[in-house]
Amino acid sequence: NAGVTQTPKFRVLKTGQSMTLLCAQDMNHEYMYWYRQDPGMGLRLIHYSVGEGTTAKGEVPDGYNVSRLKKQNFLLGLESAAPSQTSVYFCASSYPQGDGADEQFFGPGTRLTVL
Amino acid sequence: AQKVTQAQTEISVVEKEDVTLDCVYETRDTTYYLFWYKQPPSGELVFLIRRNSFDEQNEISGRYSWNFQKSTSSFNFTITASQVVDSAVYFCALRVYGNKLVFGAGTILRVKS
Repeated sequence: NAGVTQTPKFRVLKTGQSMTLLCAQDMNHEYMYWYRQDPGMGLRLIHYSVGEGTTAKGEVPDGYNVSRLKKQNFLLGLESAAPSQTSVYFCASSYPQGDGADEQFFGPGTRLTVL
Repeated sequence: AQKVTQAQTEISVVEKEDVTLDCVYETRDTTYYLFWYKQPPSGELVFLIRRNSFDEQNEISGRYSWNFQKSTSSFNFTITASQVVDSAVYFCALRVYGNKLVFGAGTILRVKS
């Protein structure tokens, strides 16, 4: 099993450009998440999905959109990139356990720089 | 609201020293889970441990041990006889049922040979 994979690994954008980050998991997990990691701030949740066709906002959703058309894929889009979106982006997935015990499995991350 | 505080931004130790990473959490819920993740220089996040709020027993796994104290809302992580390979960023996280995983800011651990 590949686990959670992310494409691309690195990207440099100019302000105003758009791009899509792809996350794929082969563990048949229901839940998927997008986080961003910034120095001194840990990981912050951008958007998440509890199943195919559903998405919801996390802690820092502004400037991002997501889609979950297939269970195994979760896409994160930046319509008009800004320098404040320079960050490392992590995707994660988990199999829900009713009491919140589910362990999240993380992808390797995508390092995005917006000039 | 849920909050996790890792007050130690960076810790440096010499190999074979013991080191404790502090984690203090805030929640009003009685049922919750606490996690520790490791992020080595390669960048991926590695799950280390999960503990539920009803289990205050300390846990030991090799050189790693965890001390959970509800009275002080702390879930500290100790590495015994540290090694260079332990150098990483360590994150503590909290999850309350129906809510999302909340991470602390992380502690950078540098182990020098």
